[in-house]
Amino acid sequence: QKEVEQDPGPLSVPEGAIVSLNCTYSNSAFQYFMWYRQYSRKGPELLMYTYSSGNKEDGRFTAQVDKSSKYISLFIRDSQPSDSATYLCAMKRNTGGFKTIFGAGTRLFVKA
Amino acid sequence: NAGVTQTPKFQVLKTGQSMTLQCAQDMNHEYMSWYRQDPGMGLRLIHYSVGAGITDQGEVPNGYNVSRSTTEDFPLRLLSAAPSQTSVYFCASRTGTSGSSEQFFGPGTRLTVL
Repeated sequence: QKEVEQDPGPLSVPEGAIVSLNCTYSNSAFQYFMWYRQYSRKGPELLMYTYSSGNKEDGRFTAQVDKSSKYISLFIRDSQPSDSATYLCAMKRNTGGFKTIFGAGTRLFVKA
Repeated sequence: NAGVTQTPKFQVLKTGQSMTLQCAQDMNHEYMSWYRQDPGMGLRLIHYSVGAGITDQGEVPNGYNVSRSTTEDFPLRLLSAAPSQTSVYFCASRTGTSGSSEQFFGPGTRLTVL
């Protein structure tokens, strides 16, 4: 079983829709939770990170962490065609140096 | 700032050939790493470095070598290429190892081994 599970999609939505992207994980020691956005044939770029449980909002993006359920989400409001990309979740323990575990990524298409 | 740069962008090798993937960063980051990205697998750490002269193995190090002679450069060497090494390779750098330190990725090298 993978430490981090992420539905690969693809997920196709109309412009303006609310998008929900999710990951589940098995290691309760994870404390940092990140979302990366990766455009086609580009490197991943950090979108948001959250420490421990709770919500974090940045413009149209909201990250949620539910440590009791080992479940994290990224919500995109008023989705735009420019949001079309692969979204990777990633997790890290508070200690443990370089060991960041990435999900496989969900491909999102926002249709104009 | 150019950020993290990688060369080449694309490469085709025959089984058994060797090559070096280049990576450079101009952000004066101490920490650098190499990942491979395969469909359905996510990013997996190959090797990493915490400073010039210091490297260590990640999750999937077999078949790869690294060295770090300067802060800026972190090349990845494939010793004897195998079809299983067909992948997209990303180099990354960061200021620290805490979860709050942002990791910056290069644009990737797409490698095909025939």
